[in-house]
Amino acid sequence: GNSVTQMEGPVTLSEEAFLTINCTYTATGYPSLFWYVQYPGEGLQLLLKATKADDKGSNKGFEATYRKETTSFHLEKGSVQVSDSAVYFCALSRDTGGFKTIFGAGTRLFVKA
Amino acid sequence: EAQVTQNPRYLITVTGKKLTVTCSQNMNHEYMSWYRQDPGLGLRQIYYSMNVEVTDKGDVPEGYKVSRKEKRNFPLILESPSPNQTSLYFCASSLSWEINSYEQYFGPGTRLTVT
Repeated sequence: GNSVTQMEGPVTLSEEAFLTINCTYTATGYPSLFWYVQYPGEGLQLLLKATKADDKGSNKGFEATYRKETTSFHLEKGSVQVSDSAVYFCALSRDTGGFKTIFGAGTRLFVKA
Repeated sequence: EAQVTQNPRYLITVTGKKLTVTCSQNMNHEYMSWYRQDPGLGLRQIYYSMNVEVTDKGDVPEGYKVSRKEKRNFPLILESPSPNQTSLYFCASSLSWEINSYEQYFGPGTRLTVT
């Protein structure tokens, strides 16, 4: 079946450090891939997405590239800020006659000043 | 303001007492969905609706019901809640389920405790 695996957190970084959060998936066919962010006490917000192989999604300095050969969609940011502290979720969606979404377990990021 | 609203935000109830969590969106979205969030498990999809009168099961539908009689509303019904349904629930909507326009907007969440 379809699944999403994310690196376990928490991840703790100093301000201006480089961020990578790994995400790999299992799916048949060609899913769409997403990163969502959840700030404390809030619902999720879409951060970026990619709908086909080799697409790069980007937003607010975050990037992720859809790699079909490695079934990965790793999230990166060159220089994190304290305000990036949140939980990040990788997700996939696929049309299987219906349209379901599968989320990873989430990775909590702490950024220290 | 474009938004997804959920009510109530917090609810403590007892086993077996029927409850409904409402969800409403003002963006004319076709697609709506319910998720539950549990520590270490991420979000799991309960039910989704691709349009009015069209609903289908997600990965964890047992113990839940939904209906989609109007485009803007998608209530989640627990006919006989049990303690294992204690969780944080999110409603979400998207303009459409078609790939290029599938972007979910989430409500603020409903924290449910069943004792």
